[in-house]
Amino acid sequence: GDSVTQMEGPVTLSEEAFLTINCTYTATGYPSLFWYVQYPGEGLQLLLKATKADDKGSNKGFEATYRKETTSFHLEKGSVQVSDSAVYFCALENYGQNFVFGPGTRLSVLP
Amino acid sequence: NAGVMQNPRHLVRRRGQEARLRCSPMKGHSHVYWYRQLPEEGLKFMVYLQKENIIDESGMPKERFSAEFPKEGPSILRIQQVVRGDSAAYFCASSPPEQGAYTGELFFGEGSRLTVL
Repeated sequence: GDSVTQMEGPVTLSEEAFLTINCTYTATGYPSLFWYVQYPGEGLQLLLKATKADDKGSNKGFEATYRKETTSFHLEKGSVQVSDSAVYFCALENYGQNFVFGPGTRLSVLP
Repeated sequence: NAGVMQNPRHLVRRRGQEARLRCSPMKGHSHVYWYRQLPEEGLKFMVYLQKENIIDESGMPKERFSAEFPKEGPSILRIQQVVRGDSAAYFCASSPPEQGAYTGELFFGEGSRLTVL
């Protein structure tokens, strides 16, 4: 079945550092890809998404590009802030099937 | 427009008791999903419902767990005879009907955190 793999955390960075969280997927067909973020004590919120190959999703300074050739959707941000500390989930959704979430990557940004 | 509302936010039960978790989807949403998040783990799909119908319950444990989404009122996830391993955060998500089944963005509630003593 479909699956999502993320880099293991936790990831600890200093403020203004560059962030990359790797995400790769296995799926049949042409899934949509998502990044969700979960702040402490809250539910998940959509951060960005891409629905077809070579699409780039972006929001709040975060970006991810749908790479079909490498089945990847890596999350990047050029300069992280303390307020970005959260758990980040990569997910895919294949038409007619459920959302599949990765295990999550915890990010801690230190001042 | 209120978001997805879950209650209770925190629930404590002793082993053998029943836990009942409620979820009111966003206004106009007719698809409801339940996920479980164990401590330090990712989200695991449990069940997908539309009004009065269970569409996919492939992630539900075969025993003690049940879910419903009646014509009127919230969706309810029921756990009978709880055990310590049921301690987790249970998240509800909803999506609008025009997205179709399994398509588009999920809107999550803040979760219900169950602790079994």
